[in-house]
Amino acid sequence: KAGVTQTPRYLIKTRGQQVTLSCSPISGHRSVSWYQQTPGQGLQFLFEYFSETQRNKGNFPGRFSGRQFSNSRSEMNVSTLELGDSALYLCASSPRLITTGANVLTFGAGSRLTVL
Amino acid sequence: KNQVEQSPQSLIILEGKNCTLQCNYTVSPFSNLRWYKQDTGRGPVSLTIMTFSENTKSNGRYTATLDADTKQSSLHITASQLSDSASYICVVGLTGGGNKLTFGTGTQLKVEL
Repeated sequence: KAGVTQTPRYLIKTRGQQVTLSCSPISGHRSVSWYQQTPGQGLQFLFEYFSETQRNKGNFPGRFSGRQFSNSRSEMNVSTLELGDSALYLCASSPRLITTGANVLTFGAGSRLTVL
Repeated sequence: KNQVEQSPQSLIILEGKNCTLQCNYTVSPFSNLRWYKQDTGRGPVSLTIMTFSENTKSNGRYTATLDADTKQSSLHITASQLSDSASYICVVGLTGGGNKLTFGTGTQLKVEL
């Protein structure tokens, strides 16, 4: 059973650019959630998509956006990049909404973004 | 403010020894508590998930406990191995609206020979 696949694994951008990250969930999983991980803040929830609709959103500015396609693959976009956006971006898939009780999340390996 | 605090921040132990990691939370309303292991350069992997009614759960050499009254959890690792070297993250899930998962900043464990 294939796991959660994130692409690209590493990328370098400059301030002001935008970036798109991709996440392919486990087959049959309908929820994809995104997280930002930095050494100082740890893991922070960005948003969750379920059946192509954003269901939950964390406390991030509107520069961070996402979408989900009919095959449950998801993309997140960060526009007008800032130095502080340098982080490991993780996605996780699950069969149900993350709010549904003790729902297991399966994480991908992450996309490491460096903003220069 | 919903918070999850983990201690110690980092820990070094010898192979074969046991250790216990702590997680205190102020998250409310509580739904569940999860422990994840994150190896360097990889995504977190689920170790245990406990709901309000559970006070202990094991996964091999990992045993998690939960005291919902004091809002404390611990992760006990028995007979540590070099492969246990990783970051261990405590995550608390909420019920209701808003941000549903609150993450601790993790305990960095290093197991040495």
